[in-house]
Amino acid sequence: EVQLVQSGAEVKKPGESLKVSCTGSGYSFTSYWIAWVRQMPGKGLEWLGRIYPGDSDTRYSPSSQGQVTISADRSISTTYLQWSSLKASDTAMYYCARLGGAGGYHPVYYWGQGTLVTVSS
Amino acid sequence: EIVLTQSPGTLFLSPGERATLSCRASQSVSSNYLAWYQQKPGQAPRLLIYAASDRATGIPDRFSGSGSGTDFTLTISRLEPEDFAVYYCQQYGSSPGFGQGTKVEIK
Repeated sequence: EVQLVQSGAEVKKPGESLKVSCTGSGYSFTSYWIAWVRQMPGKGLEWLGRIYPGDSDTRYSPSSQGQVTISADRSISTTYLQWSSLKASDTAMYYCARLGGAGGYHPVYYWGQGTLVTVSS
Repeated sequence: EIVLTQSPGTLFLSPGERATLSCRASQSVSSNYLAWYQQKPGQAPRLLIYAASDRATGIPDRFSGSGSGTDFTLTISRLEPEDFAVYYCQQYGSSPGFGQGTKVEIK
């Protein structure tokens, strides 16, 4: 069974750094793209970017480029989403999601449970 | 970057009725790389339709997708109580993105 398990909820202050994780199991971790999707409170889904753990090829959306960093550690089947300096506007639920096929052009078939990030002074 | 516009924003319907949701793209979606997702409160989204018209595994046949190019439609033939939710379209080509969502509410 494919599973994506995300790290727990975080409460941070503006300016702090943060790294949230997503651990995959039940499939070949290095063979499928993992995406990160943001959902601000009461709002829709926003695509942040994706990474191919096999070679760490990473693609960001135009709006997320330079705002977040996506990375992966193949040795522990885990991908990461990190911020160097959080803003209040980063408050959101963040989902990791595995694409459906080995290539890049596939919909999301599997979702993590989400990590709620709250940034408040 | 392709912008997806969904309409209507909210659809008020009764169980048993037919729901028709629209997703319009600002430019042609290559190879019909268009998907639909359902999201219920407190849950992650669920894939319903991919490649514009193919149902994902386990999705009931009351859900159907159609369209090509810039105009796509999700149809729910007869609404069940569990279908009241928010629906998103997504294009998953070279620079993926989502529409803003359509909420299907009980009338």
